[in-house]
Amino acid sequence: GQQVMQIPQYQHVQEGEDFTTYCNSSTTLSNIQWYKQRPGGHPVFLIQLVKSGEVKKQKRLTFQFGEAKKNSSLHITATQTTDVGTYFCAGSGGSNYKLTFGKGTLLTVNP
Amino acid sequence: DVKVTQSSRYLVKRTGEKVFLECVQDMDHENMFWYRQDPGLGLRLIYFSYDVKMKEKGDIPEGYSVSREKKERFSLILESASTNQTSMYLCASSRGRTNSPLHFGNGTRLTVT
Repeated sequence: GQQVMQIPQYQHVQEGEDFTTYCNSSTTLSNIQWYKQRPGGHPVFLIQLVKSGEVKKQKRLTFQFGEAKKNSSLHITATQTTDVGTYFCAGSGGSNYKLTFGKGTLLTVNP
Repeated sequence: DVKVTQSSRYLVKRTGEKVFLECVQDMDHENMFWYRQDPGLGLRLIYFSYDVKMKEKGDIPEGYSVSREKKERFSLILESASTNQTSMYLCASSRGRTNSPLHFGNGTRLTVT
């Protein structure tokens, strides 16, 4: 079945440093979604990418979808303490609308 | 705003008990999902439903069943709870037959003793 790998599992940064998490799929994806889960909270949708090579920005967050639609990344510039949480990618392929989640990257930020 | 409501935030049950986890959404979404979340394992799909009375197995359906008698309600059933079903259970809903975003409930922390 479809597998989505996400690295790193953990990342600790100093406030102001950049952060990147990477997502790789074993199969071509029709779309990829990114979610953020604050400590003690539930996952909240951030963005969806559907086109090959697509790049989207949300303030300090930059999301990319690879040319082959098998990988994606989330980059945060100049992290803040409010960025703390677990970031998940989730992908689906072809006519199967079922989303498969990566295991997530837990980001902690030292003020 | 979409609201997905899970009936209990915390639940403690004994091994062998039948457990019902209830989820209700208020945005007329066609799709509903049950995930479990465990440390180091991320979110794993148990069951999902695209329509009333319709259900499909996810990646880890063993030991679980579901019921969707009404569009807004999706129930997860543990026929005979076991300790390895201790977990955080997350319900989600989404719109239509598309890759639309998931809206999650706050989760139910189930402990089976």
